[in-house]
Amino acid sequence: GAGVSQSPSNKVTEKGKDVELRCDPISGHTALYWYRQRLGQGLEFLIYFQGNSAPDKSGLPSDRFSAERTGESVSTLTIQRTQQEDSAVYLCASSLVRTSGGTKQETQYFGPGTRLLVL
Amino acid sequence: AQKITQTQPGMFVQEKEAVTLDCTYDTSDPSYGLFWYKQPSSGEMIFLIYQGSYDQQNATEGRYSLNFQKARKSANLVISASQLGDSAMYFCAMRETSGSRLTFGEGTQLTVNP
Repeated sequence: GAGVSQSPSNKVTEKGKDVELRCDPISGHTALYWYRQRLGQGLEFLIYFQGNSAPDKSGLPSDRFSAERTGESVSTLTIQRTQQEDSAVYLCASSLVRTSGGTKQETQYFGPGTRLLVL
Repeated sequence: AQKITQTQPGMFVQEKEAVTLDCTYDTSDPSYGLFWYKQPSSGEMIFLIYQGSYDQQNATEGRYSLNFQKARKSANLVISASQLGDSAMYFCAMRETSGSRLTFGEGTQLTVNP
């Protein structure tokens, strides 16, 4: 079946412009995550959506970053007034959360990412 | 706070040999999950293997196995019979059951030589 898809695959923008990144999760996955990966580094958590619960926004680095999700489908990550330090790969992941015997079983499947370059 | 440490920025292995990629973690949560992901040069994160903190046996998935030593808080990935296509960045990650986010290590760049 189809995996997680993201668009655009690459985005070059000028400092100060707003950008919008899109993520289409795997159908039926209730959880959706956004991560940021700077060059040569590991992934940093940004935000998490689970069903109709309030999103966990604790990883957003500043108020220039926001994200929305429509039901259990598409999500958009918006960066306003972009800065050069926002240049990174932005990865989206989705998962189906299951609890078995009191233990949460969940594997996150990642999209190909959006490579953002702010000039 | 949780933390993942991968102490090997780069590793080299000969084709067909086994290689171990190290990962240690720190958490105060008694229930957690450990993951390994592969990231080839294309950039996509590929899930490899999962180990739950209460699992009695070490996880295995084909040529991948996880050497889970709970008392030492280590979750090393063992790749047997390395292939050229195994050359990639490998990330260890953890999620506490009480939370949802994954915390990633800095990664290990594996190069398989012919």
